[in-house]
Amino acid sequence: DAGVIQSPRHEVTEMGQEVTLRCKPISGHDYLFWYRQTMMRGLELLIYFNNNVPIDDSGMPEDRFSAKMPNASFSTLKIQPSEPRDSAVYFCASSYGGKSNQPQHFGDGTRLSIL
Amino acid sequence: GEDVEQSLFLSVREGDSSVINCTYTDSSSTYLYWYKQEPGAGLQLLTYIFSNMDMKQDQRLTVLLNKKDKHLSLRIADTQTGDSAIYFCAESLTGGGNKLTFGTGTQLKVEL
Repeated sequence: DAGVIQSPRHEVTEMGQEVTLRCKPISGHDYLFWYRQTMMRGLELLIYFNNNVPIDDSGMPEDRFSAKMPNASFSTLKIQPSEPRDSAVYFCASSYGGKSNQPQHFGDGTRLSIL
Repeated sequence: GEDVEQSLFLSVREGDSSVINCTYTDSSSTYLYWYKQEPGAGLQLLTYIFSNMDMKQDQRLTVLLNKKDKHLSLRIADTQTGDSAIYFCAESLTGGGNKLTFGTGTQLKVEL
């Protein structure tokens, strides 16, 4: 079975540019999560969706960040305009809620560098 | 509030057992997880335990849960160089959707 698929794997861009990160969750999963990982802050939850609806976006650092989930098989995280401090590894994860919590499965991440 | 703590580093010799510890503060945790992250990769689920259990064994991995002390540990038997990675514990809460709170991660270094 295919796992969580993220693209691109690496992104290098100049500050001020728009960055779009993409995620395809595991088929059948109804929860999708976006995380950011840095040396200073560790793993931070940015936002998560249930059945394509944003449930908690309290981790989104500022208005420059936005996330969408137009359908059950696709989500985007957008940064506009990007800044050097946004450099990090961004992970997408998905899980199935159902009647009991199921583990989150992570993609391989997008390593973002803002110059 | 939710807080999960781990020691930052652990160094062991190949063939020895490794024990990675984690403490959490929220007594309403339902599931506790261990994830492994190798360099340049995502987080790989290793194992998880339901909060009404006190032990779970899966091949070389043993998870111990002391709910009274809110202490979770992961024991890796016969540690190999391929076990070198960062290990994260995480807790999920009843009614929190599937939201997880992660620890800071423990970097395990296996020496020959």
